[in-house]
Amino acid sequence: AQSVTQLDSQVPVFEEAPVELRCNYSSSVSVYLFWYVQYPNQGLQLLLKYLSGSTLVKSINGFEAEFNKSQTSFHLRKPSVHISDTAEYFCAVRLQGGSEKLVFGKGTKLTVNP
Amino acid sequence: EAGVVQSPRYKIIEKKQPVAFWCNPISGHNTLYWYLQNLGQGPELLIRYENEEAVDDSQLPKDRFSAERLKGVDSTLKIQPAELGDSAVYLCASSLGGGGSNEQFFGPGTRLTVL
Repeated sequence: AQSVTQLDSQVPVFEEAPVELRCNYSSSVSVYLFWYVQYPNQGLQLLLKYLSGSTLVKSINGFEAEFNKSQTSFHLRKPSVHISDTAEYFCAVRLQGGSEKLVFGKGTKLTVNP
Repeated sequence: EAGVVQSPRYKIIEKKQPVAFWCNPISGHNTLYWYLQNLGQGPELLIRYENEEAVDDSQLPKDRFSAERLKGVDSTLKIQPAELGDSAVYLCASSLGGGGSNEQFFGPGTRLTVL
C-alpha cells in the first residue's frame, strides 16, 4: 500500500522569504502526485499535480514542485511567500491505473508572518 | 459552475444521537467520495461511489456508519449512534471518474462535534 510522509507539521516563515514543504511517498508502483491547499474553514483545493512528463510542475500563484523518483519525493517550494499563503498544505498520491483513492499526508501548516 | 455543496457546515450533537450529512457533487461527476478528516490529520477515504454503486467502502465502519447515493447524484452519510470519537470534519469530493488522472474537487466539509 502507498503512504505519504510530510516531514514538517508546522512551518513558520516571514513574508517574502522562500519556503519548502517536504513530501516523501512510498509505493511499489507508479503514482500520480498532488499538492492540495486548505484555507481556514474551507475545503481542499488542488494546487498542482504531477501526472507525467516534466518533473517540475508549477501553479498559477508561484508555487512549484519537483518529482524526484529516485528519492521518492515531491517537495513544494515558493521563492517568496505572502501573508495570503498561510494555510495547510497536503501532499497526496494516487496509483496510476488503479483505484482513484487518494492517500494524503498529515499536512503542513504554513504560517507567514509579517 | 457550482462546486461541491455540503450541508450542514457545522453540527453539534450529543453522543448516541444520529446525524446525517448531505453532499451534492458537481454536475456530471459520476464519482463521489466521502472522506474523514480528524484534527491535525490528512483526509482518509471512507467510501467511493461510481454512479450509485459503492465500489470501495472498505474503510467505512459499517456498525454505525452508512451511506447512500440514490439516483447516482446526491449522497447522504449517516452515523447512528454517534460517539465522541466521531468528532471530525467530513469531506465530500467528486470527479468525472473513469480512472485516469481526473481531479477530485472537494466541498467545504461538515464539522461534527459530538458532546
